[in-house]
Amino acid sequence: DTEVTQTPKHLVMGMTNKKSLKCEQHMGHRAMYWYKQKAKKPPELMFVYSYEKLSINESVPSRFSPECPNSSLLNLHLHALQPEDSALYLCASSLTGTGNEKLFFGSGTQLSVL
Amino acid sequence: GENVEQHPSTLSVQEGDSAVIKCTYSDSASNYFPWYKQELGKGPQLIIDIRSNVGEKKDQRIAVTLNKTAKHFSLHITETQPEDSAVYFCAASNPTGFNKFYFGSGTKLNVKP
Repeated sequence: DTEVTQTPKHLVMGMTNKKSLKCEQHMGHRAMYWYKQKAKKPPELMFVYSYEKLSINESVPSRFSPECPNSSLLNLHLHALQPEDSALYLCASSLTGTGNEKLFFGSGTQLSVL
Repeated sequence: GENVEQHPSTLSVQEGDSAVIKCTYSDSASNYFPWYKQELGKGPQLIIDIRSNVGEKKDQRIAVTLNKTAKHFSLHITETQPEDSAVYFCAASNPTGFNKFYFGSGTKLNVKP
């Protein structure tokens, strides 16, 4: 199984809502990532978890809250988002999180904030 | 920090022709260079990668070349097919610290039947 599975595929939320994005992989990878991608732009790194510990936070606003319950699961909790947060949110995984590892992406959650 | 530039931003070719996408990088410590293909509504898919200890790598119709001295690497697709139409991203990373990638700005490839 070489898949990274993300749910939901699409999400529409208001600025006062609380929602969560979910990601799962069963490749035995110990590093998981959240990326944000705006239309016609490359992915931008948000968070990296390695061995269930937060290793990188790229100065992401606190309205985005990541959680890694175990090495196979990754969540992104959303609260009080702004319309400019509308984007494709991608989850990815790699073997351990050390440099130069192959990165495998999920299909993403297309988020619209109204 | 690392800066990756990618050209062209759009590329149209006739089916059966070859396509070449070029990237340059700035950090000489970078030594891993993957290429991703992203189809509409999907996440990026790793299609080929190269490490700095080799100059070329080939996988069927896809090849990647690396020139460490000039700090550039290229993706070559031969005998293009309509299903090759997608956005392609190059990236660079180095072995220190965590697995952080610096992406190019992307190339939209259109293969006309």
